[in-house]
Amino acid sequence: QKEVEQDPGPLSVPEGAIVSLNCTYSNSAFQYFMWYRQYSRKGPELLMYTYSSGNKEDGRFTAQVDKSSKYISLFIRDSQPSDSATYLCAMGYGSSNTGKLIFGQGTTLQVKP
Amino acid sequence: GAVVSQHPSRVICKSGTSVKIECRSLDFQATTMFWYRQFPKQSLMLMATSNEGSKATYEQGVEKDKFLINHASLTLSTLTVTSAHPEDSSFYICRVIGPGTEAFFGQGTRLTVV
Repeated sequence: QKEVEQDPGPLSVPEGAIVSLNCTYSNSAFQYFMWYRQYSRKGPELLMYTYSSGNKEDGRFTAQVDKSSKYISLFIRDSQPSDSATYLCAMGYGSSNTGKLIFGQGTTLQVKP
Repeated sequence: GAVVSQHPSRVICKSGTSVKIECRSLDFQATTMFWYRQFPKQSLMLMATSNEGSKATYEQGVEKDKFLINHASLTLSTLTVTSAHPEDSSFYICRVIGPGTEAFFGQGTRLTVV
């Protein structure tokens, strides 16, 4: 069993839709959780990070963590064609800026105009 | 602007040759650099962790003699793929951390071995 599971998609939605991206994990030692966006042939860019269970909102993005279920989600409201990318969840333990990250496979999202 | 510069962005080489990939931190001193490999439609897989001035720590299954990592200065780390083969074709990405800074990814290098 992989430590982090993420449905690779692809996921196709119309512009303006609410998008839900999810990951599950098996290692209860993970302490922090991140979402990255990766455009084709580019390095990932950090979108959200959180340490605790619950919701964290930033503009159109909401990150949700449920440690009891070992399940994290990223919601994108009012999705735009520019949101079309691959979204990677990542998680780790120890210090968030020194520790290793374990990545999900990434979900490819296409937002159609 | 970018705080991490990775070069080259893409490279094509012949089987059996070696390729060097550079990762530079532009505005901060990089105490730790991680090297990842990403195959198409797959996750980023950590290859090795390098700290300035010390030998790199390789993940299980990664051949240290094939993937040479040098972190000789606080702003530069290099990954050399030696005797490259077609199965080494992949997207290689560095991730850089400095004291008191968040981690940043490089832009990635697409290596194609023909």
